[in-house]
Amino acid sequence: DVKVTQSSRYLVKRTGEKVFLECVQDMDHENMFWYRQDPGLGLRLIYFSYDVKMKEKGDIPEGYSVSREKKERFSLILESASTNQTSMYLCASSPGTPFYEQYFGPGTRLTVT
Amino acid sequence: GQQVMQIPQYQHVQEGEDFTTYCNSSTTLSNIQWYKQRPGGHPVFLIQLVKSGEVKKQKRLTFQFGEAKKNSSLHITATQTTDVGTYFCAASGGGADGLTFGKGTHLIIQP
Repeated sequence: DVKVTQSSRYLVKRTGEKVFLECVQDMDHENMFWYRQDPGLGLRLIYFSYDVKMKEKGDIPEGYSVSREKKERFSLILESASTNQTSMYLCASSPGTPFYEQYFGPGTRLTVT
Repeated sequence: GQQVMQIPQYQHVQEGEDFTTYCNSSTTLSNIQWYKQRPGGHPVFLIQLVKSGEVKKQKRLTFQFGEAKKNSSLHITATQTTDVGTYFCAASGGGADGLTFGKGTHLIIQP
């Protein structure tokens, strides 16, 4: 089974802190994605990556950056956390695009106070 | 990226009743995927539709892709409590811009 793991299930940070969310997949997938999920807004794509060291902006990249130094690991970085970044963050991976299913991790619920 | 509108946002049904959620786009889609998210869980892939007019079935679930490839539906026959959750459609325009998810339909089942 494909496994996508995320470093934390719950995280509480203060405004202005630098936050790292880590995602690891074990199926040698080419593509990895970061979404945020908010009530009433569904899943919104923040960033994605098709290869190591490659990144593409999604629909809502402002305030975020990403890093993919190894194929299996995709990190989401909040340079200076703000309260409006309180959300559920979901990582996903897929073998390719656009006709492949995405496998999601369990999510990280981030609260910024 | 693609814009997909999903309706309704919420659907309350009595156990045993049928349920349908709809996904619509103003542009032609290359494919459409459906995911289910149980309460407290993460989205799990259900199915993908690629061909115009395609219909696929999974037990009590029926998935359709419109002839013009601009809309899709998921129909559940005789809902059960295990069907509770949020159903998302996700579409790709065919380029390298990933999937765009609809906002989801929350299915609430009353016993």
